[in-house]
Amino acid sequence: KAGVTQTPRYLIKTRGQQVTLSCSPISGHRSVSWYQQTPGQGLQFLFEYFSETQRNKGNFPGRFSGRQFSNSRSEMNVSTLELGDSALYLCASNSRQGANGELFFGEGSRLTVL
Amino acid sequence: AQRVTQPEKLLSVFKGAPVELKCNYSYSGSPELFWYVQYSRQRLQLLLRHISRESIKGFTADLNKGETSFHLKKPFAQEEDSAMYYCALSGNSNSGYALNFGKGTSLLVTP
Repeated sequence: KAGVTQTPRYLIKTRGQQVTLSCSPISGHRSVSWYQQTPGQGLQFLFEYFSETQRNKGNFPGRFSGRQFSNSRSEMNVSTLELGDSALYLCASNSRQGANGELFFGEGSRLTVL
Repeated sequence: AQRVTQPEKLLSVFKGAPVELKCNYSYSGSPELFWYVQYSRQRLQLLLRHISRESIKGFTADLNKGETSFHLKKPFAQEEDSAMYYCALSGNSNSGYALNFGKGTSLLVTP
């Protein structure tokens, strides 16, 4: 089985721009979640989708949004980029509807905001 | 509020020595706790979860609700155990699945 795939792997943006990141989960996995990883804050939960519905959202401003498509692929969007948005954005998929399932992580999309 | 604390940023031990990576949590309900590991140039991956009560790669972790801890232990560290270790907590499973991660402990096992 192919693992979780994230694109693009690296990108550079300037302040004020917006960015869209894509995530393809493992085939058959219906839950997709997103995490932001920074040296200072570590791994922080952004949001989770299951069957195209956002089930849970972390404590991030409204500039961060996401969606999930019928094929379980997910995108996250960050608008009006700030320097502090520079981070590694990790996507993870899970085969189970509830908690305690194993999260399978992608390699991440590294965003640099200049 | 949920919180996961890993007090050690870096832990260095000699090969063959016991290792304990500390994790403390705060959560008012019944938590589900996990250890995730990231080896150099690899993806973050699950090491073990408390409900499984299993030993993976020689590592074990026991949930101590009284001390609100979930320390990761291994009696004899190996060089290949060198990695970044994250303790994570999952709270209310009725509202989706969100992991609250600690900031991680970098384990270095030297020969």
